[in-house]
Amino acid sequence: DQQVKQNSPSLSVQEGRISILNCDYTNSMFDYFLWYKKYPAEGPTFLISISSIKDKNEDGRFTVFLNKSAKHLSLHIVPSQPGDSAVYFCAASVLYSGGGADGLTFGKGTHLIIQP
Amino acid sequence: NAGVTQTPKFQVLKTGQSMTLQCAQDMNHEYMSWYRQDPGMGLRLIHYSVGAGITDQGEVPNGYNVSRSTTEDFPLRLLSAAPSQTSVYFCASSYSLGGGQDTQYFGPGTRLTVL
Repeated sequence: DQQVKQNSPSLSVQEGRISILNCDYTNSMFDYFLWYKKYPAEGPTFLISISSIKDKNEDGRFTVFLNKSAKHLSLHIVPSQPGDSAVYFCAASVLYSGGGADGLTFGKGTHLIIQP
Repeated sequence: NAGVTQTPKFQVLKTGQSMTLQCAQDMNHEYMSWYRQDPGMGLRLIHYSVGAGITDQGEVPNGYNVSRSTTEDFPLRLLSAAPSQTSVYFCASSYSLGGGQDTQYFGPGTRLTVL
């Protein structure tokens, strides 16, 4: 059973507009969420994260929103730029009281295409 | 800093052959992990290590062995390769365990094909 779901395999957005990537999760124990960006033939790179005690985190053009009751998070990119074309992975982890975790659980990814 | 390095970049094996995928990091990270990425499957955790001498299984550990004799290195061993192990393998490291205030830094990946 997939615990982190990205239901849109691809998304096409015009340059300058807003890109919204969605992610749903089923494990209510998850308390830390991350977005990674991946270009072809490269490893994923960290983009932005959010703790379950927050509902929003912003970093420049990137904002992540978390709705715990709906078990849903989204990544907003404003404005979208050609260099944003990549695969975006949503990931989640469980933080234990001792500070440990079991690693990241990833969604399948969404391929974002920014059209000029 | 070189970050996380992986060798080789590409490898073709025959069924039943063994090999070791190398991973090294120069950031003095305690936590290291191996993921595999298959088409349409995202990244799945194979094994991870919370420090030298300590390893544990992830979501898909079967067919793989790991050891962690130093902080810097975390090799992944395939004892008897199978076509189902054809995938892209990513090594990652972080200061702590996958969450909290730090993030995982990924290597460039090893593309493995098993014939």
